[in-house]
Amino acid sequence: AQTVTQSQPEMSVQEAETVTLSCTYDTSENNYYLFWYKQPPSRQMILVIRQEAYKQQNATENRFSVNFQKAAKSFSLKISDSQLGDTAMYFCAFMKLPGGGSTLGRLYFGRGTQLTVWP
Amino acid sequence: ETGVTQSPTHLIKTRGQQVTLRCSSQSGHNTVSWYQQALGQGPQFIFQYYREEENGRGNFPPRFSGLQFPNYSSELNVNALELDDSALYLCASSGTSNEQFFGPGTRLTVL
Repeated sequence: AQTVTQSQPEMSVQEAETVTLSCTYDTSENNYYLFWYKQPPSRQMILVIRQEAYKQQNATENRFSVNFQKAAKSFSLKISDSQLGDTAMYFCAFMKLPGGGSTLGRLYFGRGTQLTVWP
Repeated sequence: ETGVTQSPTHLIKTRGQQVTLRCSSQSGHNTVSWYQQALGQGPQFIFQYYREEENGRGNFPPRFSGLQFPNYSSELNVNALELDDSALYLCASSGTSNEQFFGPGTRLTVL
C-alpha cells in the first residue's frame, strides 16, 4: 500500500519570503508520479507541480520548485517570493503508473499542510 | 474548453437516505475519479470510471456506487447514508495525460 505523510499541519510565512513544505511517502513501486496540489478556501483542488519518479531533475514551475529525493522517499515543495494568494491547504499526492486501459491512476493524498502567508 | 463541474454545490440529507451527486468531465476527457474528503483530511479515492466501466475502487462499501455515461459525465450514488458520510465529494477528470482536473466539489451533510 502507498502512504503519504505530511508532518506539518500548519505553516506560516511572511509575504516575499521563502517557505518549504515537507512530504514523505512509502511505496514499493519504482515508477510513479508525485504531485503538490493547492486547495484554497474555494475548495477547488489546483495542481501546483508534478514530478515523474524516473526524472532526476527537480521540477520547477515559476516560484514553485521541489526537492525530490527518491532514495529517501522525500518530496518537499519550496515556494519562493510568497504571495498572499498562496494562502491555502497544500496536499502532497502520490500516483503509481495506472493499469487497465486508462492513462489515469488513483491519487494517494497526505493530510495536508495549511499555509498562511502574512502581509 | 469548459472545466469540470459538479452538482449540487451543497446537500443536506438525513441518515438512511440515498443521494446522487453529479459530475461533468472536462471536454475530451474519458476518465472520471471520485474522492471523499472528510473535514481536516486529504481526499480518499472512492472509485474511477474509464469509458463507462469501473476501473478501480478504493476501500469503500458497496453502498457507494457509480455510473459513467456515454458523454463521460458521471454520477456517485450513496445508499443508506451514515453520519460519517458527511464530507466534500470531489470528482476529477482526465484525458490522455496523467493530470487530473478537479471539480469544485459537493459538500454533503448527513444529519
